[in-house]
Amino acid sequence: GAGVSQSPSNKVTEKGKDVELRCDPISGHTALYWYRQSLGQGLEFLIYFQGNSAPDKSGLPSDRFSAERTGGSVSTLTIQRTQQEDSAVYLCASSLFPLSYEQYFGPGTRLTVT
Amino acid sequence: DAKTTQPTSMDCAEGRAANLPCNHSTISGNEYVYWYRQIHSQGPQYIIHGLKNNETNEMASLIITEDRKSSTLILPHATLRDTAVYYCIVRATQGGSEKLVFGKGTKLTVNP
Repeated sequence: GAGVSQSPSNKVTEKGKDVELRCDPISGHTALYWYRQSLGQGLEFLIYFQGNSAPDKSGLPSDRFSAERTGGSVSTLTIQRTQQEDSAVYLCASSLFPLSYEQYFGPGTRLTVT
Repeated sequence: DAKTTQPTSMDCAEGRAANLPCNHSTISGNEYVYWYRQIHSQGPQYIIHGLKNNETNEMASLIITEDRKSSTLILPHATLRDTAVYYCIVRATQGGSEKLVFGKGTKLTVNP
């Protein structure tokens, strides 16, 4: 079946612009996660959605970052007034939590802020 | 979630077994050990997880010591495609955060 998909695969933006990154989770997966990976660094948790519960936003680095999940499926991560330090690969994952703890990751969106 | 310690890098010859160690001396009774890997320019991929008993699937085997303070991921016949960064993660199954906390992992290079 189809895995997690993300778009765009690459995004180059100018400092100060807003960007939207999209994630389509595996159909039926109730849990959705956003992570980011800066060059040469490990993965950093950003935000977690589970069903209709309030999202866990504890990993968002600043109030310029926000995310929503519409209809319990597609999610959009928005970064306002982008800064150069926002340059990273943004990864989305989904899972069947609580039935399963395995997270399935998408290919990521590489964001470059110039 | 408990912290883990892994070697920074390892090498393995193609066709041989790759044994990747992980120390998790502060692991709690309800925490599982998970292994993921990340091949260059791809998202992480789930490999295997376990609580106390050794586990095996089509990708790998997981050996957990009796005191649960360390574990070893075994790739029985490593191929060039197994070159990746391997992450050992411990996490609670209930009452803990559902996020994964990734460390630096072990960069495994499989050589021809």
